[in-house]
Amino acid sequence: EAQVTQNPRYLITVTGKKLTVTCSQNMNHEYMSWYRQDPGLGLRQIYYSMNVEVTDKGDVPEGYKVSRKEKRNFPLILESPSPNQTSLYFCASTRTGGYQETQYFGPGTRLLVL
Amino acid sequence: AQSVTQLGSHVSVSEGALVLLRCNYSSSVPPYLFWYVQYPNQGLQLLLKYTSAATLVKGINGFEAEFKKSETSFHLTKPSAHMSDAAEYFCAVTLSRVNKFYFGSGTKLNVKP
Repeated sequence: EAQVTQNPRYLITVTGKKLTVTCSQNMNHEYMSWYRQDPGLGLRQIYYSMNVEVTDKGDVPEGYKVSRKEKRNFPLILESPSPNQTSLYFCASTRTGGYQETQYFGPGTRLLVL
Repeated sequence: AQSVTQLGSHVSVSEGALVLLRCNYSSSVPPYLFWYVQYPNQGLQLLLKYTSAATLVKGINGFEAEFKKSETSFHLTKPSAHMSDAAEYFCAVTLSRVNKFYFGSGTKLNVKP
């Protein structure tokens, strides 16, 4: 089954404690993204990657890092989380190619930073 | 830069009534446009997309949207609402298909019995 998986699904942490949210896709897509969703703001892109070792900032990259060492994985790293990073996070993987263009989303990771 | 505006953060319709969710975009060139649906405690699911083919796009669950370049709009419609349509709907735009995606702030659809 084609899917995007994220772990953990729920996470409570404290300010300053480094954490990583993993994202993996099994569709061999080159393009992947991370978003955060906040009430009234919709989804905002944090980082995206167009291929292995190719990443770029989205609209809200401050406080986040990513890496893309292999095609299937795109982890999101919070080196020193702060309460304003409390949010719902989604990873997405994109099938590209004209009319086939489709973005697949993971189930989300709900993060609470105390 | 691109932007997406969804008019109405909450829309309420009666079961069987027409659903109309509005989306306007700003872009200097024709964009690629998408509608996504999010059910409670779930991720986003693609409803339909416009990628410069037919201007009237049909999606899943009876939804459709029409791309109107002159109005820079991509409104989502469904002739007859069903209780199962209650969810949050997001409009999104991208230019290069593999570049940045911009999402609207979302519209929560409530369907009354």
